[in-house]
Amino acid sequence: AQSVTQPDIHITVSEGASLELRCNYSYGATPYLFWYVQSPGQGLQLLLKYFSGDTLVQGIKGFEAEFKRSQSSFNLRKPSVHWSDAAEYFCAVGGNSGGYQKVTFGTGTKLQVIP
Amino acid sequence: IAGITQAPTSQILAAGRRMTLRCTQDMRHNAMYWYRQDLGLGLRLIHYSNTAGTTGKGEVPDGYSVSRANTDDFPLTLASAVPSQTSVYFCASSRDGGQPQHFGDGTRLSIL
Repeated sequence: AQSVTQPDIHITVSEGASLELRCNYSYGATPYLFWYVQSPGQGLQLLLKYFSGDTLVQGIKGFEAEFKRSQSSFNLRKPSVHWSDAAEYFCAVGGNSGGYQKVTFGTGTKLQVIP
Repeated sequence: IAGITQAPTSQILAAGRRMTLRCTQDMRHNAMYWYRQDLGLGLRLIHYSNTAGTTGKGEVPDGYSVSRANTDDFPLTLASAVPSQTSVYFCASSRDGGQPQHFGDGTRLSIL
C-alpha cells in the first residue's frame, strides 16, 4: 500500500530564511509525487509534481523539490521564504489503482513565517 | 475566474438528515473528485468520476453517493448523515484524470 509521511507537523522560519519540508513515501514502483499548498479557508493548490526524468523539479512560487529514490524522499525547498508562504503544505504520492489514479496525501506541515 | 464552485460554504445538520453538497466547474475538465479533510488524517478520496456518466468509489465511500450527469456538475449526497461525517469536504478536478489539479474552497459540514 502506498503511504506518505510528513514528519514535521509544524515549522517556523524567519522571513528570508531558507525552507525545507520533509516528505517520505512508500510505493512499490516508481511513484508519482506531488506537493500541494493550502491557505486558510481555501482548497489545495498544486505546487509541483514529479513523474519521471530530472529528479529536481521546479514549481510555482519559487518552490522546488528533489526526488531521492534511495531515501524514498521528496523534500520541498525554497531558498528565501516570504510571509505569504505561511500555509499548510501537503505531500502526496500517486499510482494507478483499478480505474483511477490513487493519490494518497500526507497529514500536512503547517508553516509559520515570522518577521 | 475559471475554477470550482462549492455550495454551501458551511452547514450544520442534524443526524439522520439527507444533504447534498454541490460542486460545479467551468473548466470542462473530464475528471472530478470528492475528498474529505480531517485533522491528522490529511485528505481522503470519497468518490471520483473520470468522465461524465461514470463514477467510482475511492478510499472512504460508505455513506456517500455521487452522480455525474454532465461535465460540469458533481454533487455529493449524504443519504442519512452521521456525526462521523463531520468534516471539511473538497471537490476537485483534473483535465484528464491523474492527480487533482484544481480544488474548490471546501464545505465545512457539522453533523450533530
